[in-house]
Amino acid sequence: GESVGLHLPTLSVQEGDNSIINCAYSNSASDYFIWYKQESGKGPQFIIDIRSNMDKRQGQRVTVLLNKTVKHLSLQIAATQPGDSAVYFCADVTGGFKTIFGAGTRLFVKA
Amino acid sequence: GAGVSQSPRYKVAKRGQDVALRCDPISGHVSLFWYQQALGQGPEFLTYFQNEAQLDKSGLPSDRFFAERPEGSVSTLKIQRTQQEDSAVYLCASSFDGGRNTIYFGEGSWLTVV
Repeated sequence: GESVGLHLPTLSVQEGDNSIINCAYSNSASDYFIWYKQESGKGPQFIIDIRSNMDKRQGQRVTVLLNKTVKHLSLQIAATQPGDSAVYFCADVTGGFKTIFGAGTRLFVKA
Repeated sequence: GAGVSQSPRYKVAKRGQDVALRCDPISGHVSLFWYQQALGQGPEFLTYFQNEAQLDKSGLPSDRFFAERPEGSVSTLKIQRTQQEDSAVYLCASSFDGGRNTIYFGEGSWLTVV
């Protein structure tokens, strides 16, 4: 079946270091991917997206890399801050509207 | 309002009770989604509306779950005869048009069935 999954359930990084969160997807037809951040007690918040015709996209302090050959996504956060502590989900959009989420990676930032 | 608004934020229901969860999407947003999120899991798709039309309800777990959006704006998710396994956060999201535009989530309705 269709699934989006993550390699690690938790990630702990030192404040100021870079964070890398990985994600694998199984649907080779997926052509649009999104990273979401979810803080405790809140809904998921859009961070950055990437379409399958790209292999890299940069935002403010965040970069998403897409490797279609091995069906792998990563989210890189530069100079990680305490406010980055949250659960991060990768997701893909199928059929033009249905967003399928992975289980999530919890990021802990140590001061 | 500026964002997606959901009510109630917290609901405790006795097993067998019916519940109704309300979602006010961002004004002008055509698409509306409902997701269910169990503790420690990612959100699971339930259903999708484009205006008042329910185009996909494949994620609804059983016929006890029903969603509507009669006028193409506010939506209600109804759960009949609640069971303990229905305990979860129910997230509503909206977008200007479909999933290829940014989807904005509400803060969710936390349902606990006792």
